[in-house]
Amino acid sequence: AQKITQTQPGMFVQEKEAVTLDCTYDTSDQSYGLFWYKQPSSGEMIFLIYQGSYDEQNATEGRYSLNFQKARKSANLVISASQLGDSAMYFCAMREERGSQGNLIFGKGTKLSVKP
Amino acid sequence: SQTIHQWPATLVQPVGSPLSLECTVEGTSNPNLYWYRQAAGRGLQLLFYSVGIGQISSEVPQNLSASRPQDRQFILSSKKLLLSDSGFYLCAWSSGTGAYEQYFGPGTRLTVT
Repeated sequence: AQKITQTQPGMFVQEKEAVTLDCTYDTSDQSYGLFWYKQPSSGEMIFLIYQGSYDEQNATEGRYSLNFQKARKSANLVISASQLGDSAMYFCAMREERGSQGNLIFGKGTKLSVKP
Repeated sequence: SQTIHQWPATLVQPVGSPLSLECTVEGTSNPNLYWYRQAAGRGLQLLFYSVGIGQISSEVPQNLSASRPQDRQFILSSKKLLLSDSGFYLCAWSSGTGAYEQYFGPGTRLTVT
C-alpha cells in the first residue's frame, strides 16, 4: 500500500488565488513527520514546510500552510496568493520514527500551474 | 550556512560504462546523507543512506553502490550502467536531529544511451 498519496497529478490556479494540494498518508507510528517540497523545472528540491505528528498547531511558513488533520491522516498544503513562480511540482513526504534514519517517503507529486 | 554540492550536473554515458557521482556537504558535521533517484515524471526513490563514515544502507537492490569515504562526502557508483539507470539523481543531507528535514543538492541528470 502507498504510504503517501497525492491524488492530483496536476492542478491549475489563477494568479493571486489560493490553492490546496492534497496529501494523505498511511502509518501506524505515533511519532512521524510530514514535509512538503517544491521542485521547479530546474530540478532541485526545495524544502517548504514541516509538521510533526505531535504538533497541535498547523505549520505555517509565509504563504505556505499545512492543513494537518491527524484523524483523517491528511496533510494538505495551502498556498495563498499564488504567484507565477509557484508553478512547479510539489511533493508530500513522510518520515516514520520506527526503524528509520530519517528516511523520507515521497508521494508521486502534483504539478501546479499558475495562470496569469 | 550549510551547502550541498553535486557533480556533474549532467552526464551522458553508454550502457556498460562505469559511473561515479559525487556529493559533498559544507557547513555541518556528521550529517545523514541520502541518494535518491527520480525517473521522468515520477516521485523520488531512496537508493542509499548513510549515518556515518563507511556506514551505508541500501534501500533498493540494483547495480548501484554507494560509499562515504569522508564525513561530508557521499559517492554513488556503478561498474556497468544499464539503460534503466537513466534518471535524475539527487543527494540530500539532514542533521539527524530535530525536525529531520532533508536538504537537497542540485541533482545530476544521467542519460544512459
